[in-house]
Amino acid sequence: GQSLEQPSEVTAVEGAIVQINCTYQTSGFYGLSWYQQHDGGAPTFLSYNALDGLEETGRFSSFLSRSDSYGYLLLQELQMKDSASYFCAVFSGATNKLIFGTGTLLAVQP
Amino acid sequence: SQTIHQWPATLVQPVGSPLSLECTVEGTSNPNLYWYRQAAGRGLQLLFYSVGIGQISSEVPQNLSASRPQDRQFILSSKKLLLSDSGFYLCAWSTTTGGNAFFGQGTRLTVV
Repeated sequence: GQSLEQPSEVTAVEGAIVQINCTYQTSGFYGLSWYQQHDGGAPTFLSYNALDGLEETGRFSSFLSRSDSYGYLLLQELQMKDSASYFCAVFSGATNKLIFGTGTLLAVQP
Repeated sequence: SQTIHQWPATLVQPVGSPLSLECTVEGTSNPNLYWYRQAAGRGLQLLFYSVGIGQISSEVPQNLSASRPQDRQFILSSKKLLLSDSGFYLCAWSTTTGGNAFFGQGTRLTVV
């Protein structure tokens, strides 16, 4: 089957850097993606890694190590508006399932 | 550009009543389509997914069903709602490689 693990909560201060880790197990792995969800809203796509290495999109970066079944989302220059839940997700080419992790609640403090 | 529409945004239904939630995608063809449910403060539970017209895979056996009558239309249904069906229902589409998924606005369902 497929499973993903993320920390349940992370707290950081404005202007800081925070890293949210994700470990996964899946067959037919295609890639790891990250999503942000503000309270009451729908998830929005942030970043996707199909190959090992770092992908940078503005203040957000995402990293993947396929050999370690591990990835992380790095948020720099934290702002209050970054307070939200963050989910990693894996897509299996073997099953066509897109499975999400349990989510990490990020609280940014002033 | 691609867009995804999901409606209604909120719904209050009595126990035992039927349910039909509709989701349509524009600007892409042959997308993978997904229905998720999210309880308050929890993760996204995959309910159904589809890789093509009439092809539905179920993840969670329950009193919900899904159909894909057209390439870009995905419908979630129930004949008789239970209290436990309350939650935030999300429709999403992705490319066939699942690299990124895009979500509808979600439907907040309360069964009373």
